[in-house]
Amino acid sequence: DSGVTQTPKHLITATGQRVTLRCSPRSGDLSVYWYQQSLDQGLQFLIHYYNGEERAKGNILERFSAQQFPDLHSELNLSSLELGDSALYFCASSTYGLSNTGELFFGEGSRLTVL
Amino acid sequence: DAKTTQPNSMESNEEEPVHLPCNHSTISGTDYIHWYRQLPSQGPEYVIHGLTSNVNNRMASLAIAEDRKSSTLILHRATLRDAAVYYCILRYNDYKLSFGAGTTVTVRA
Repeated sequence: DSGVTQTPKHLITATGQRVTLRCSPRSGDLSVYWYQQSLDQGLQFLIHYYNGEERAKGNILERFSAQQFPDLHSELNLSSLELGDSALYFCASSTYGLSNTGELFFGEGSRLTVL
Repeated sequence: DAKTTQPNSMESNEEEPVHLPCNHSTISGTDYIHWYRQLPSQGPEYVIHGLTSNVNNRMASLAIAEDRKSSTLILHRATLRDAAVYYCILRYNDYKLSFGAGTTVTVRA
């Protein structure tokens, strides 16, 4: 158990819909990262938040957005869903700046299926 | 971005050592070498990391070439639970890890 909690574990929805994925980082971790894993693209970095502020963006579509709340949990919002958005979405957390280990702790992921 | 090259797959017998190579010829002086693994249906899991010196932990050992252009992850005694995709990653800033295709390790009983 990494200590990172993601909900929901599975989600099935239709094209054009909007969903929200939630992540609770490990206790004390200030950084949250979102990754997308699809069969043809592998693990792709989407976005990083540190203590409520966006720090880096990767290959995140404009239809996707994220935020980190004062209690440090994060949400990834996916809108106008397309079939190609079907993937596993992972959240990871780390103690950014407190050590140089750089270790990320990943949750078990949210599997999104768009029909 | 600095890139890594890994073999697509490797096979091992249970209780034998596994040596997973990784080439990173364009590594910069500040890049850390990280290894993660992903078991089926799970999120990636940290294995080990290093900068210049060889590193050991309870999971594995990391041997880094003197010129840092390659490294080898060593699983000393493979178990069935070690069957996973292993990713060699260069951490070039504090913000993210870039995962490649990794090496799929199969362990035969």
